[in-house]
Amino acid sequence: GQNIDQPTEMTATEGAIVQINCTYQTSGFNGLFWYQQHAGEAPTFLSYNVLDGLEEKGRFSSFLSRSKGYSYLLLKELQMKDSASYLCAALDSNYQLIWGAGTKLIIKP
Amino acid sequence: ETGVTQTPRHLVMGMTNKKSLKCEQHLGHNAMYWYKQSAKKPLELMFVYNFKEQTENNSVPSRFSPECPNSSHLFLHLHTLQPEDSALYLCASSRDYTGSTDTQYFGPGTRLTVL
Repeated sequence: GQNIDQPTEMTATEGAIVQINCTYQTSGFNGLFWYQQHAGEAPTFLSYNVLDGLEEKGRFSSFLSRSKGYSYLLLKELQMKDSASYLCAALDSNYQLIWGAGTKLIIKP
Repeated sequence: ETGVTQTPRHLVMGMTNKKSLKCEQHLGHNAMYWYKQSAKKPLELMFVYNFKEQTENNSVPSRFSPECPNSSHLFLHLHTLQPEDSALYLCASSRDYTGSTDTQYFGPGTRLTVL
């Protein structure tokens, strides 16, 4: 079957760095998305990776290793507003999005 | 700017009620989606419409009935729901659907409680 695994919850300190991991098993692969979802709000697009390597967008970076079925989202200089759930989703060979359950990130002062 | 809007934001209904959820996208997209989001579970895709035609129905019970009158509007009609249907219902849109890596843009969701 198809599956996405990511930690349920993580805690980090304001100003620090946190890495949220995601592993995927899908039939075929056409890329991986990361979304941010604040409580009670819409998921918002953060990144899309289809090639191996690291892509940086300001304080957020996303990494992909296709051979390992692995991605991570790296958040630097954490701010209180980064407290949210982070959703990982992989596109399978039929271009269907397979979603993880999300990682709730708690930022402490 | 809110590209995808949903109404109502909150809905409480009894099991015998009939209600409808509305979604509107202002992005000029051709594909629209309904998802169910339950606590600590992955997003569940319910329905997909591409150019107003339903292309996916992921074994959703008939008590959920979608309607897509045009590419900008999507409805989810609800009747005789069960308490386990209580969840956040998210609408999304993307430029295209079939064979696409296009990003999906989400609305804020309707928090549904079935008593």
